[in-house]
Amino acid sequence: DAKTTQPTSMDCAEGRAANLPCNHSTISGNEYVYWYRQIHSQGPQYIIHGLKNNETNEMASLIITEDRKSSTLILPHATLRDTAVYYCIVRPRGGSGTYKYIFGTGTRLKVLA
Amino acid sequence: GAVVSQHPSRVICKSGTSVKIECRSLDFQATTMFWYRQFPKQSLMLMATSNEGSKATYEQGVEKDKFLINHASLTLSTLTVTSAHPEDSSFYICSVTAGGNQPQHFGDGTRLSIL
Repeated sequence: DAKTTQPTSMDCAEGRAANLPCNHSTISGNEYVYWYRQIHSQGPQYIIHGLKNNETNEMASLIITEDRKSSTLILPHATLRDTAVYYCIVRPRGGSGTYKYIFGTGTRLKVLA
Repeated sequence: GAVVSQHPSRVICKSGTSVKIECRSLDFQATTMFWYRQFPKQSLMLMATSNEGSKATYEQGVEKDKFLINHASLTLSTLTVTSAHPEDSSFYICSVTAGGNQPQHFGDGTRLSIL
């Protein structure tokens, strides 16, 4: 079973920030949080990942709470092309093992014009 | 640029046919690749982990004789759906990882339709 829970759907006005929450209350100290999005009929696209510090890249920002039990993906200026299903995944920290992803149901984000 | 190349993007074939899907890692050598299946309006479901030079590891409930995986090189894994039937119609997606904490990168998927 997925170790994350996300709201089923969210709407966001174009040009505004989209804040997508993810609950991972059973996360272990060695588990990373990964975010992906899937646009209809395509493979998931990697967005960002982090362990405990906040992270930012050209696509988004990832805010992880101090207790690491939840995180928020922030798209600073949402556009219509950001309409997609967003998945939050936790996975053990690297090493020689091969750690698989277990996808939850994700959040369907709809950006409105 | 693309990290993963998956081919073909779409297949339509008759029941009983075997279908091979290729997944190529373009940017790095991948000792591990993953195969997923996604039904309409559902999330991705991991089918198996493909290990270069050894047997694939299948998830519970996935028939290994039905879904044959070959990972003969560090850049290529193939999934063969043997004797496909209409219930095998789905969206099949592969992913590759450089290992460690690096994220998985996904192909564009193959939409398989069995008539």
